[in-house]
Amino acid sequence: EAGVAQSPRYKIIEKRQSVAFWCNPISGHATLYWYQQILGQGPKLLIQFQNNGVVDDSQLPKDRFSAERLKGVDSTLKIQPAKLEDSAVYLCASSLDRNTGELFFGEGSRLTVL
Amino acid sequence: QQQVKQSPQSLIVQKGGISIINCAYENTAFDYFPWYQQFPGKGPALLIAIRPDVSEKKEGRFTISFNKSAKQFSLHIMDSQPGDSATYFCAATDSWGKLQFGAGTQVVVTP
Repeated sequence: EAGVAQSPRYKIIEKRQSVAFWCNPISGHATLYWYQQILGQGPKLLIQFQNNGVVDDSQLPKDRFSAERLKGVDSTLKIQPAKLEDSAVYLCASSLDRNTGELFFGEGSRLTVL
Repeated sequence: QQQVKQSPQSLIVQKGGISIINCAYENTAFDYFPWYQQFPGKGPALLIAIRPDVSEKKEGRFTISFNKSAKQFSLHIMDSQPGDSATYFCAATDSWGKLQFGAGTQVVVTP
C-alpha cells in the first residue's frame, strides 16, 4: 500500500514570496491533516479536512496560509506571503476516518525562508 | 498553548537500559493516547496507543502506563537498543480526531 506522498521535499524562498505544498493521502482515507513542525518542537495542527470539508482550521494563520482539498483526495497548502518564522517542516497526514485514531504521515516538505 | 505536556526534553540511556517518558494532559475529552516515533528526515510513525479504559498496554519492548485520575501517561522502553534512538512524541485526540502532540523527547541509546 502506498503511503502519504508529499512534494516538494525541500523548498527555499525569500520572505514575501509564495510557496505551495502538495499532498496525496493514502487511497480511501477520508481525513487529511496538515501539521507544521518547527525544529525541535512537536507538530502543530494547521488544518483538518474530512473528505473535502474543513473540520478544524483554528490554528491556521488565515491572513497568509490557505489550504484546499479538491474532490476529497489531494490537498494543497499555500503560504503567501511567507515570513521568516514560517521556516519549518510541513507534514501531511491521513487517516481512514477521524475516529480511527492512527494517522499516517508523509515525510514532510521542508521550507526555508530567507 | 500546549494541551499535552511532555518530559524530559531529552534523555540518554545505555543499551539494555530502560527509557521512561512522561506526559500529562488537561482536556478530559481526550479519548485516545498514541505515541509516535520520529527519525530524522521522516514523518512521525505510530508506535503504540492506549484508550483510557485500560491502565496498561504492552507491545514487545514498549509499554504505556495510563493513570486516568491523574491525567498522566507514560512510555517505557525496555531493553533499549541503539535503533531506538529517535524523537518520541506523546499525543492525545478527541472524538473529532484532532491529534495534539507533546513537545517531544529526544532519546539517545549509547552502545
